[in-house]
Amino acid sequence: DVKVTQSSRYLVKRTGEKVFLECVQDMDHENMFWYRQDPGLGLRLIYFSYDVKMKEKGDIPEGYSVSREKKERFSLILESASTNQTSMYLCASRQVPGELFFGEGSRLTVL
Amino acid sequence: KNQVEQSPQSLIILEGKNCTLQCNYTVSPFSNLRWYKQDTGRGPVSLTIMTFSENTKSNGRYTATLDADTKQSSLHITASQLSDSASYICVAIPSARGSTLGRLYFGRGTQLTVWP
Repeated sequence: DVKVTQSSRYLVKRTGEKVFLECVQDMDHENMFWYRQDPGLGLRLIYFSYDVKMKEKGDIPEGYSVSREKKERFSLILESASTNQTSMYLCASRQVPGELFFGEGSRLTVL
Repeated sequence: KNQVEQSPQSLIILEGKNCTLQCNYTVSPFSNLRWYKQDTGRGPVSLTIMTFSENTKSNGRYTATLDADTKQSSLHITASQLSDSASYICVAIPSARGSTLGRLYFGRGTQLTVWP
C-alpha cells in the first residue's frame, strides 16, 4: 500500500515557538505538497517541491518555510508560530500525471 | 483564472436515499478530474478519476460524470449509508504542458451528512 506519513496528528504550541511538521512518502514521488485546510476555505497550497532541494511558493507561503533534503521527506517549518496558523495541515505527494496521495493530517493549535 | 466551484456547500439526506454533488471547473488546459472523500479529521482519499474522454465512471455506489464541453462534473451516491457522511472534494488537474509543476485546483468541498 502506498503511504504518506505525517509525524504528528495533533500538536499544541505557544505563540512564537518554532514548529516542524514532517512528512515522509514511500512511493518515490517527485512532487510533494503542503496544504492547510480551514473550514469554509478548502485546501490552500502553502509550498510544493518538484525535486530534492527544489521548492516553489504556493498561494499562502507567508510565515512558512520548507525543506526537502531527501526525496522522500518534505518538512514544513513555522519559524515563529502565531494563533492564525492554527489549522489542519495536510501533506501530499504525486508522480505526474498520477493520483495525489494525502497523509492523515496534522492538527496544529497555537495558543 | 483556474477555478473549481462545488455545490451545494452542505447537504443532509436520510440513510438509503440518493444524492448528487456538483462540480464546475474552469481549469485549462484540462487533463482530468478527481473526486476525493474526506472523513472528519482524516486526509482525503481518491474515489474516482475522470479523464477528458470519459463521460461516466462507477465505483460501487459512487458514479461520477463529466461533461468536458460544459466543464461540469457530478458525483452521484446511491443508497446512501451512514459511512458516506464526509466532505467530498472535487480536484481539477491541468495537462502537464499547462500546469506549473503539477499544481492542482481544489473545490471547497460539499459536506454530506447522512442521518439514520
